[in-house]
Amino acid sequence: AQKVTQAQTEISVVEKEDVTLDCVYETRDTTYYLFWYKQPPSGELVFLIRRNSFDEQNEISGRYSWNFQKSTSSFNFTITASQVVDSAVYFCALSEAINNAGNMLTFGGGTRLMVKP
Amino acid sequence: DAGVIQSPRHEVTEMGQEVTLRCKPISGHNSLFWYRQTMMRGLELLIYFNNNVPIDDSGMPEDRFSAKMPNASFSTLKIQPSEPRDSAVYFCASSLAGTGDTEAFFGQGTRLTVV
Repeated sequence: AQKVTQAQTEISVVEKEDVTLDCVYETRDTTYYLFWYKQPPSGELVFLIRRNSFDEQNEISGRYSWNFQKSTSSFNFTITASQVVDSAVYFCALSEAINNAGNMLTFGGGTRLMVKP
Repeated sequence: DAGVIQSPRHEVTEMGQEVTLRCKPISGHNSLFWYRQTMMRGLELLIYFNNNVPIDDSGMPEDRFSAKMPNASFSTLKIQPSEPRDSAVYFCASSLAGTGDTEAFFGQGTRLTVV
């Protein structure tokens, strides 16, 4: 069975600091997909990124970057020059591409990020 | 596109009452998911539909929970009878395809309180 672990339950930083959110996953499937979602205080879940297991290329989108390493089963998320608006709970998730599993997501427990001015 | 639409946004009900949560997926999406979020268990998948057919309902906690998708644009999650431990935020999500290479878009959730 698949599992996603976000060991950091809460992180507090001061604005403009860089912060990395860790995500470690377990799966027996060779084809799988990894995701990050953001849940701001308003409560909705906002999609940030999707990665498939065959694409280990790191990705940068503005102040956001993601580091995928199959060797350590990790998919970490870095926010550069954090801002107060980045304060939210961030979820890492995994789906497996077997048996028509579709987008059945297994979520980590989430990391609450607080960015102080 | 209006995104995934859930109703109601908030629901307060008394123990033993029937509760029905509603979801309208994004037009053209053929996969629909119901998730539940609680402090104790986090985000967990309840049921997954593909082309209106339930594919996996192993996450449905017990027989008091049932879900239907009568057509491509509407789904319901029903709890009968409701219990205080059902209090949670229930999310509906939809995605374009039945594989993981497309992202799921979530509705704003229904916050259910059973007193």
